[in-house]
Amino acid sequence: QVQMVESGGGLVEPGGSLRLSCAASGFTFSDYYMSWIRQAPGKGLEWVSSVSDSSKYTNYADSVKGRFTISRDNAKNSLYLQMTSLRAEDTAVYYCAKSPTATAPFDFWGQGTLVTVSS
Amino acid sequence: EIVMTQSPGTLSVSPGERATLSCRASQSVSRNLAWYQQKPGQAPRLLIYGASTRATGIPARFSGSGSGTEFTLTISSLQSEDFAVYYCQQYNNWPPWTFGQGTKVEIK
Repeated sequence: QVQMVESGGGLVEPGGSLRLSCAASGFTFSDYYMSWIRQAPGKGLEWVSSVSDSSKYTNYADSVKGRFTISRDNAKNSLYLQMTSLRAEDTAVYYCAKSPTATAPFDFWGQGTLVTVSS
Repeated sequence: EIVMTQSPGTLSVSPGERATLSCRASQSVSRNLAWYQQKPGQAPRLLIYGASTRATGIPARFSGSGSGTEFTLTISSLQSEDFAVYYCQQYNNWPPWTFGQGTKVEIK
């Protein structure tokens, strides 16, 4: 069955860095667009970043552009999000999600990892 | 950026009753519209895509309709497990992929 397990979250000070990982199994990882979507405590869903199946294309929300970098390793069935210059407003649960193409829904989500940015 | 607006913010419904949730896009998204269900402490789950197609394993009491800028999610007879927050999302014009702010369906 499809599984996606996020890791790497935790408490970090403002200005700090963190690298999130998402380990995928149960589907052909290299066939799917992969995305990060976040949810601040008690708030709604916000798309953060996406990467195409071959890593040729990447997209970022304006709120994270220049600070976050998405990448994937198809040989390891893994998705990553390198986060730098973290701010308090980046505090959220970060979900990885897959979609067949860019113009498709997020058909499966991981359980999320919590990132807390605080001094 | 396409702005998605959901209404109402909270819907109070008795078990067995029908629930109707609305989602409006700031410009046409054709039928590239999805609905997700999120329960407390859980990840969102895809319910509906293509505005009206149920995802795998989703009960028939969930139905979606609409196109362009106006969409509706209907739950025909609410079960206890349906009380949750529901989000709409457009995937027609990206980036960014955008979500509505959510509708909470609570027990009346």
